[in-house]
Amino acid sequence: AAGVIQSPRHLIKEKRETATLKCYPIPRHDTVYWYQQGPGQDPQFLISFYEKMQSDKGSIPDRFSAQQFSDYHSELNMSSLELGDSALYFCASSLGRDRYNEQFFGPGTRLTVL
Amino acid sequence: AQKITQTQPGMFVQEKEAVTLDCTYDTSDPSYGLFWYKQPSSGEMIFLIYQGSYDQQNATEGRYSLNFQKARKSANLVISASQLGDSAMYFCAMRSFYGGSQGNLIFGKGTKLSVKP
Repeated sequence: AAGVIQSPRHLIKEKRETATLKCYPIPRHDTVYWYQQGPGQDPQFLISFYEKMQSDKGSIPDRFSAQQFSDYHSELNMSSLELGDSALYFCASSLGRDRYNEQFFGPGTRLTVL
Repeated sequence: AQKITQTQPGMFVQEKEAVTLDCTYDTSDPSYGLFWYKQPSSGEMIFLIYQGSYDQQNATEGRYSLNFQKARKSANLVISASQLGDSAMYFCAMRSFYGGSQGNLIFGKGTKLSVKP
């Protein structure tokens, strides 16, 4: 079965550079969630989209923005990167945002900021 | 505010034995779901088991079972017959299904399980 695809899997950037992370949800899934997991930390919710509209916002810095496109894939844009942005970034998708719909996680993008 | 507490930073278990990973939660929402995820050293987040707040029966999935005690707000994960491949970080998570909640997961700090041969 198709899974959530994230690209790139690894990314190395310098401070103050920009980065774009991409997420391709499972076909027919219309909801995308982004999570950030710092080293040795639990995942923290950043932002979510439902039917191409921003659905909810968590602890996402103002330097970050995201959107969901007409084909339901999503991109997380990160500007003015800081050392503290080094983390594993997960995308998860689900069919609908209601009730018991399981969130399927992608393999993550490991971002390292030097 | 919702919160997940996992009080065991690390646990050891002998291969083939059972182990219980603790999870307590705090929420005022009447409807919610509790999840357990496994994260191996490779980093991916693997869904293990789900328990709904209104489910009468404790959830089971193969060697995984969830000991749900609603009054005590606990949702402990029991792994039976541990295997070496069970060595990983385990996260307990919660998702509200109430009101305007959009369904994002709130995670605990995790428990690192090490299975000894």
